[in-house]
Amino acid sequence: DVKVTQSSRYLVKRTGEKVFLECVQDMDHENMFWYRQDPGLGLRLIYFSYDVKMKEKGDIPEGYSVSREKKERFSLILESASTNQTSMYLCASVYMGQGRHEQYFGPGTRLTVT
Amino acid sequence: DQQVKQNSPSLSVQEGRISILNCDYTNSMFDYFLWYKKYPAEGPTFLISISSIKDKNEDGRFTVFLNKSAKHLSLHIVPSQPGDSAVYFCAAVNGGSQGNLIFGKGTKLSVKP
Repeated sequence: DVKVTQSSRYLVKRTGEKVFLECVQDMDHENMFWYRQDPGLGLRLIYFSYDVKMKEKGDIPEGYSVSREKKERFSLILESASTNQTSMYLCASVYMGQGRHEQYFGPGTRLTVT
Repeated sequence: DQQVKQNSPSLSVQEGRISILNCDYTNSMFDYFLWYKKYPAEGPTFLISISSIKDKNEDGRFTVFLNKSAKHLSLHIVPSQPGDSAVYFCAAVNGGSQGNLIFGKGTKLSVKP
């Protein structure tokens, strides 16, 4: 069965702290995405990775960075957390190929920055 | 402007009958469509997807139909079970871009025993 896990379900951090959100998938997918979800704005793509050590900016990369040292793990880093980064963060492991496109989500991390 | 629309906020169906969830879209460049089921405080669960070059895809109790000329797709669940009660989201893949999803606002399905 497909499994995408995220390191924390709930997180509270202070303004200015460095925050690490981890995502692990067990499906051997090459593509992994980080989204944030906000009321009224839907899902917005922050960063994605299509291979180990490869990363691409999504629609809203400012204030974030990512790391993909191993195929199964994709980390989202908030260099200096700010209150406008309070949000639900969703990681997706993505299969693209053979006429198919499937995105499998983790349970989400609700981050509050105070 | 919403590119993916689910016009019915809720749907109630009797157990054992068919549930039909509808979705309309505006962008003819979408190349894949996906359906998700979501419970509160959880991430979306992938159910089934369809390529824009197909008109039907089936997986167990779930079938997705795509009508490109009408820019309309639907998810059929047969037979419906009480455990299917959840919010269902339709999503489209932004063809030619990074592959990110554009979601509809969801339809809450209630399956009554």
